[in-house]
Amino acid sequence: DTGVSQDPRHKITKRGQNVTFRCDPISEHNRLYWYRQTLGQGPEFLTYFQNEAQLEKSRLLSDRFSAERPKGSFSTLEIQRTEQGDSAMYLCASSPRRTGGYEQYFGPGTRLTVT
Amino acid sequence: AQKVTQAQTEISVVEKEDVTLDCVYETRDTTYYLFWYKQPPSGELVFLIRRNSFDEQNEISGRYSWNFQKSTSSFNFTITASQVVDSAVYFCALLPRAGGTSYGKLTFGQGTILTVHP
Repeated sequence: DTGVSQDPRHKITKRGQNVTFRCDPISEHNRLYWYRQTLGQGPEFLTYFQNEAQLEKSRLLSDRFSAERPKGSFSTLEIQRTEQGDSAMYLCASSPRRTGGYEQYFGPGTRLTVT
Repeated sequence: AQKVTQAQTEISVVEKEDVTLDCVYETRDTTYYLFWYKQPPSGELVFLIRRNSFDEQNEISGRYSWNFQKSTSSFNFTITASQVVDSAVYFCALLPRAGGTSYGKLTFGQGTILTVHP
């Protein structure tokens, strides 16, 4: 299996701009997760998809954030009108159907810097 | 609500020393999983171990060992004869086993930065 991939690896943007990140899970993994990790902290759950359905969203996911997984394969996370507080590492993970979520494989992350 | 606490923010040791990373968790769930992940400077989270709350047996894998004590809600991680390559941030995490839409939502601790000096 190729691992979870994320693109871009690094993104620098100016405050107020929109950004979009992509996550490609491991093939045939039906569950996909997004986490955010700020400096010096552990990852925090943002949202979760089972196939194309978004089943849970954290209260951390303000209305400026939107995530999609249109065909149940790759996922995108968009942040509109970025703020400096959005600067963080955004991690994606996927999980195979048989494990029900307890076996999550993480991608390398997208590091966002908002200037 | 789930909570994981890693009280040690940073640990510094000299190569070949043994080091223990502490993890204490809180959950109302009766069944759950506990994890340890390693995050090297590259940023990718590397899975180290998963323990089921039903299984309190300690586990050893090479230089790594884990001590799970349900009575004290702790899941500590020991590296024996540390090496420079062990330098990384280590995270403890908790996952409830209950079904429903929250399944798969990992709760992480704040992490412990381990630096092993040559």
